[in-house]
Amino acid sequence: EPEVTQTPSHQVTQMGQEVILRCVPISNHLYFYWYRQILGQKVEFLVSFYNNEISEKSEIFDDQFSVERPDGSNFTLKIRSTKLEDSAMYFCASSRSLYGYTFGSGTRLTVV
Amino acid sequence: AQRVTQPEKLLSVFKGAPVELKCNYSYSGSPELFWYVQYSRQRLQLLLRHISRESIKGFTADLNKGETSFHLKKPFAQEEDSAMYYCALSDQAGTALIFGKGTTLSVSS
Repeated sequence: EPEVTQTPSHQVTQMGQEVILRCVPISNHLYFYWYRQILGQKVEFLVSFYNNEISEKSEIFDDQFSVERPDGSNFTLKIRSTKLEDSAMYFCASSRSLYGYTFGSGTRLTVV
Repeated sequence: AQRVTQPEKLLSVFKGAPVELKCNYSYSGSPELFWYVQYSRQRLQLLLRHISRESIKGFTADLNKGETSFHLKKPFAQEEDSAMYYCALSDQAGTALIFGKGTTLSVSS
């Protein structure tokens, strides 16, 4: 069964550093997403991406965040200058339609 | 505003007992409702969606528009059902899923 792949599984970074979280969505999917889950809290939507542009973003997704699909397979989330409160599990997801959301296993980001 | 409420943080039952995980939503239109499950150390997986009216692993969920609820039910819980369950809604294809805070289901023998 096709999977959404995320790397790395765990990333530790110093406050103020830039991080790039990587995702390989399922190849025939059209919509791509990033979600995050701060420890003990609910899964929160960050951004959706369709047709090579952001289609929707939440209040969390401020100027510190950006997404990119640099080639035909990768989908990245960049945090420009990390803060302690960015520590969370970040999930990538992709879908072909409303009924086909597939999540990756997540990247745990720890900002120290 | 769109909101999904799962009032129980933890639900503990014995094997063979019925299970009901509660989910209420707030949405002005006609949302699509989903249940996702996350087993220990695994990724979020779609369990079921209201539009398909299916039963997966013995679980069912009925959308009650009058009560704005989408409770997840199973008549006889199994130990392997122990996991985190998230209720979520979306309003149309390709848009954000709004998640509830999740309920941990613990099934013991």
